[in-house]
Amino acid sequence: GESVGLHLPTLSVQEGDNSIINCAYSNSASDYFIWYKQESGKGPQFIIDIRSNMDKRQGQRVTVLLNKTVKHLSLQIAATQPGDSAVYFCAVTGNQFYFGTGTSLTVIP
Amino acid sequence: DTAVSQTPKYLVTQMGNDKSIKCEQNLGHDTMYWYKQDSKKFLKIMFSYNNKELIINETVPNRFSPKSPDKAHLNLHINSLELGDSAVYFCASSRTIPITGGLNEKLFFGSGTQLSVL
Repeated sequence: GESVGLHLPTLSVQEGDNSIINCAYSNSASDYFIWYKQESGKGPQFIIDIRSNMDKRQGQRVTVLLNKTVKHLSLQIAATQPGDSAVYFCAVTGNQFYFGTGTSLTVIP
Repeated sequence: DTAVSQTPKYLVTQMGNDKSIKCEQNLGHDTMYWYKQDSKKFLKIMFSYNNKELIINETVPNRFSPKSPDKAHLNLHINSLELGDSAVYFCASSRTIPITGGLNEKLFFGSGTQLSVL
């Protein structure tokens, strides 16, 4: 099976700082990775994804880094804003979706 | 238009009652799911259907019975509700079944049903 873990269950950052959320996975055959954002009272929403043939992918203010050697991926949020406060999940796709435990990000104004 | 919609948003009920949660997706996806999210935000898959056929049935009490009348709908019926069933239940869909080495399948979630069993 697959286990997906996050290093920190909670993270507090100052508005304007950069945020880094980490995720570890166990199955070296995993080939597709997704980050989701879940705001309070809502379902998880897709933020950014990356395939295993890449090690970095950038979106608008977000970057995902993938290190297949150590089976680790991270989500970097630049210039964190109050609207970024949410729970962030990494998900790994094999023959189903495997979710990490989530990191709660709080942005301090 | 909401892509994945589930009702009700909130459900408060007594122990022992039977309740249903409905889910519909208008994305034309083949695969639908039910997830349970506990108080620590952990997302646990319960069921998955592909074209109305059950493909994933995790260790879930048989008091939970999913029903998929067509591929756009996946309803969840819960019998004899217990205190431990209190959680947020999410319906989700994906274009098709994720397969290692296949296309990049993504999950699209509904907004959740907060179930409180008293």
